[in-house]
Amino acid sequence: GGIITQTPKFLIGQEGQKLTLKCQQNFNHDTMYWYRQDSGKGLRLIYYSITENDLQKGDLSEGYDASREKKSSFSLTVTSAQKNEMAVFLCARRDIYEQYFGPGTRLTVL
Amino acid sequence: GNSVTQMQGQVTLSEEEFLFINCTYSTTGYPTLFWYVQYPGEGPQLLLKVTTANNKGSSRGFEATYDKGTTSFHLQKASVQESDSAVYYCVLGARGSALGRLHFGAGTQLIVIP
Repeated sequence: GGIITQTPKFLIGQEGQKLTLKCQQNFNHDTMYWYRQDSGKGLRLIYYSITENDLQKGDLSEGYDASREKKSSFSLTVTSAQKNEMAVFLCARRDIYEQYFGPGTRLTVL
Repeated sequence: GNSVTQMQGQVTLSEEEFLFINCTYSTTGYPTLFWYVQYPGEGPQLLLKVTTANNKGSSRGFEATYDKGTTSFHLQKASVQESDSAVYYCVLGARGSALGRLHFGAGTQLIVIP
């Protein structure tokens, strides 16, 4: 079976820093997603992409950029990290109607 | 629009007790409803799925029934185990929703005490 990989697993940044999170999948699936997970708030969609070089904004896109240069990878950039920010960023791929998630990147901003 | 409501932030049970997690949804489309489960350090994974065609889903002892009249999709399990401790998300996928987009509830943390 295939896997979905997120790097890094933990990311510590400074206020104002630009930070990039990476997601790789080897299923050759088209649609991929980035979510932000905060305690007590569920998952909120940041960006998604239906195929390489396509980008679509979700509900929480402000403050983020994304990149899908090839089908297997989908990157997310925090353009300016906010002090005391803590969240988990989850990448997912779509298989028909279901989504399959990576293990997440935990972000801490000092 | 599409939305999901889970009012229970946390549920604490002893082993072998009955589990009930409340979920209601709102949509203008034809829903597919999911329960996802998330264990510590992992991403959410699909627990079960229900469409308007089959009404009821079950997996690993968990059951959920879709009720169009009350727009509810509650999760139940007759007898919980300590290994069921996790966060459970009620999720709505509305047919016609852009590109299979899913809408997540806030999640319910289940703690099972041995």
